Amino acid sequence: DTEVTQTPKHLVMGMTNKKSLKCEQHMGHRAMYWYKQKAKKPPELMFVYSYEKLSINESVPSRFSPECPNSSLLNLHLHALQPEDSALYLCASSQGGYSYNSPLHFGNGTRLTVT
Amino acid sequence: DAKTTQPTSMDCAEGRAANLPCNHSTISGNEYVYWYRQIHSQGPQYIIHGLKNNETNEMASLIITEDRKSSTLILPHATLRDTAVYYCIVSRGATDSWGKLQFGAGTQVVVTP
Repeated sequence: DTEVTQTPKHLVMGMTNKKSLKCEQHMGHRAMYWYKQKAKKPPELMFVYSYEKLSINESVPSRFSPECPNSSLLNLHLHALQPEDSALYLCASSQGGYSYNSPLHFGNGTRLTVT
Repeated sequence: DAKTTQPTSMDCAEGRAANLPCNHSTISGNEYVYWYRQIHSQGPQYIIHGLKNNETNEMASLIITEDRKSSTLILPHATLRDTAVYYCIVSRGATDSWGKLQFGAGTQVVVTP
């Protein structure tokens, strides 16, 4: 079990669908992250939120839209995805702020398949 | 952030110590060395991190050379559950563009009975 909860665990969506991935943590962390992991590859950073503001966008296509409604929640809205976007999407959190070197805590991810 | 070099794979016998090397010759003075691992079908798990001094916790020990250009992660008594991909990452650790935590290819460690 992890302290970062991601839902759903699995998601299959068509290229015209709109769906959202959700991530929740109750550790009081102020930084939250989205990573994407393709099969047999390392995780790739997508977005970083610090104190609920987007601080890093790794040139991710606009069909991926992050949202941080409050310090405990992180969403990733998906629209008009392509089959090559199929991957494991990982959420993470860390203390952030002055504890900038604090480690990341990861969820177990959402396995996304785009058909 | 500095890049790291790790062996692609390593085998280790159950019950023995596993020593995982990592080279980071371009590390900057304010960059930390982090180790994470990823067991199949799970998210990455934090193991340990350090700046200059050697560190130890309940999972592992981290040995950083004096010039900080390389480090070794030591799992003192490997078990089958330690089979995973181990990632060595150097990062300032910030949540802005100066210190993104970015994963390299890692080392696939297989612990055998």
